[in-house]
Amino acid sequence: DAGVIQSPRHEVTEMGQEVTLRCKPISGHNSLFWYRQTMMRGLELLIYFNNNVPIDDSGMPEDRFSAKMPNASFSTLKIQPSEPRDSAVYFCASSLGQVGTEAFFGQGTRLTVV
Amino acid sequence: KNQVEQSPQSLIILEGKNCTLQCNYTVSPFSNLRWYKQDTGRGPVSLTIMTFSENTKSNGRYTATLDADTKQSSLHITASQLSDSASYICVVSKAAGNKLTFGGGTRVLVKP
Repeated sequence: DAGVIQSPRHEVTEMGQEVTLRCKPISGHNSLFWYRQTMMRGLELLIYFNNNVPIDDSGMPEDRFSAKMPNASFSTLKIQPSEPRDSAVYFCASSLGQVGTEAFFGQGTRLTVV
Repeated sequence: KNQVEQSPQSLIILEGKNCTLQCNYTVSPFSNLRWYKQDTGRGPVSLTIMTFSENTKSNGRYTATLDADTKQSSLHITASQLSDSASYICVVSKAAGNKLTFGGGTRVLVKP
């Protein structure tokens, strides 16, 4: 199994631009998580889906962030418009089960907003 | 407030030595506690999971302990290797509401 696949690995964009991060979970996993990691705040859970349905999006910082999971093998995290404070590493993870079960992480997308 | 505090923030040890990382939490009601290892530039990887009834669990040279009464966990690394250089993150799951609380991590550097 290839594991969780994220793209792009690195993204540099200008403030105000739209950014879309992509994730392909491990086949057969029914939960998908989006995390953000910064030096200041560590790892934060932004949103998680179970069976393609958003279950908890309380970690999404503001309306500029949105996430979708149109099918079991694909999810996107979109930031529009992007701001410099959104610069972070964004991880996608998937698991068999809900929060608390072992999550398998992708390699992350390092986002820099200038 | 549900919190997870890890200590130390960072430590440097010589190859072959042992070390212990600490995780104190106030999350309640408790479901489980998981230790993750995160290599630089990569996503976290689960090392162990501890449930309420478990006191000790090992994964190779990694041994995790849990004291649910004092709400403390430790991760012991035995005979450290250069590949143990990483950040170690403690994550506690809340039984109600399926919430996760993350510690800030301990950055370990193993020197030859």
